[in-house]
Amino acid sequence: EAQVTQNPRYLITVTGKKLTVTCSQNMNHEYMSWYRQDPGLGLRQIYYSMNVEVTDKGDVPEGYKVSRKEKRNFPLILESPSPNQTSLYFCASSQTQDKSSEQYFGPGTRLTVT
Amino acid sequence: KNQVEQSPQSLIILEGKNCTLQCNYTVSPFSNLRWYKQDTGRGPVSLTIMTFSENTKSNGRYTATLDADTKQSSLHITASQLSDSASYICVVSARPYGNNRLAFGKGNQVVVIP
Repeated sequence: EAQVTQNPRYLITVTGKKLTVTCSQNMNHEYMSWYRQDPGLGLRQIYYSMNVEVTDKGDVPEGYKVSRKEKRNFPLILESPSPNQTSLYFCASSQTQDKSSEQYFGPGTRLTVT
Repeated sequence: KNQVEQSPQSLIILEGKNCTLQCNYTVSPFSNLRWYKQDTGRGPVSLTIMTFSENTKSNGRYTATLDADTKQSSLHITASQLSDSASYICVVSARPYGNNRLAFGKGNQVVVIP
């Protein structure tokens, strides 16, 4: 089954403790992206990757890192999480970044930073 | 200022009834407009994608319309079912950025009651 998977689905952590949220897709998609979703704000893009070893900042990249060493994986790294990073995170992928390329979203990771 | 505005923010409808959701955007130059359905606690799922030349597109009981001149779109749900309870998100893509610069609306929260 074609899908985007994220792990963990739920995470509670403390301020400053490094964490990684994994994202994997099995559709051989070139383009992958991370979003956060907060009440009243909608989805906002954190980082995106147009292909292996090619990443760039989205609208809200501060406090996050990403890497794209393999085509299928696009982990999101929080080196020193803070409470304002408490949010619902979604990974998405599409065949390319082209305008007509449909995005497939993962199931989401709910992160709480205390 | 958000480039994509959706209305109403939320609505409650009786099972079997129809409803229409509105999306107004200011994104320019326009590339395409997408409607997503997001069930609570899940990732968004694509319903329709429309380009400049398309003014209507259907996906089962969902019908989206687009007026690129007035920069308005609507999503019509016919004969609503309890499973239609979800948030519906309007997303607009700008040329030439494609998926790199998507403008997300905050969503229309629909609750279908028996």
